[in-house]
Amino acid sequence: NAGVMQNPRHLVRRRGQEARLRCSPMKGHSHVYWYRQLPEEGLKFMVYLQKENIIDESGMPKERFSAEFPKEGPSILRIQQVVRGDSAAYFCASSPLPRFNQPQHFGDGTRLSIL
Amino acid sequence: AQKITQTQPGMFVQEKEAVTLDCTYDTSDPSYGLFWYKQPSSGEMIFLIYQGSYDQQNATEGRYSLNFQKARKSANLVISASQLGDSAMYFCAMRERDLAQGGSEKLVFGKGTKLTVNP
Repeated sequence: NAGVMQNPRHLVRRRGQEARLRCSPMKGHSHVYWYRQLPEEGLKFMVYLQKENIIDESGMPKERFSAEFPKEGPSILRIQQVVRGDSAAYFCASSPLPRFNQPQHFGDGTRLSIL
Repeated sequence: AQKITQTQPGMFVQEKEAVTLDCTYDTSDPSYGLFWYKQPSSGEMIFLIYQGSYDQQNATEGRYSLNFQKARKSANLVISASQLGDSAMYFCAMRERDLAQGGSEKLVFGKGTKLTVNP
């Protein structure tokens, strides 16, 4: 069974460009979560999606950031007009029907660097 | 308010010895889950062990065990017989249901403990 697949593994952008991060959940998982990890920090929740629905975006910055999980295809985290402060590792996690005893399975992350 | 507190930024242990990594949490919800993840230097997040708020017994997974003290709101990770490959960052996380956000069950992470296993 393939795990959570994230690509690209590393992404370099110049200030003002757009960054698109992709996440394919584990087979059979319909719940996707995005987290951001700044250097020397723990992971911070950004957004929780089910197919075609955003359930909780309370951790998303109000501007420039958006996420989607279409009926077909991977979940996308999109950052417009990137700034240096967006440099971080972005992790996607997935789970089946969420229950407390179900761990969220993480991808290997995308390391975003802004020049 | 900080929901997950890991008070040890760094810990050192000799190979083959046991080590305890501390985690305290804060919640008013009676239903929650506690998780530990390992993040080696390569960066991936590896699930280690889970403890549910209603579980009567402490969770164990191989060399990992969780010392769950509900009244103290602590969920310490114990690694027995440490190995060099255990050197990594360790994160404690809590999963609770946020009814204000559509029942969202996001994870809240601590800042982590960097474990170094010495030969």
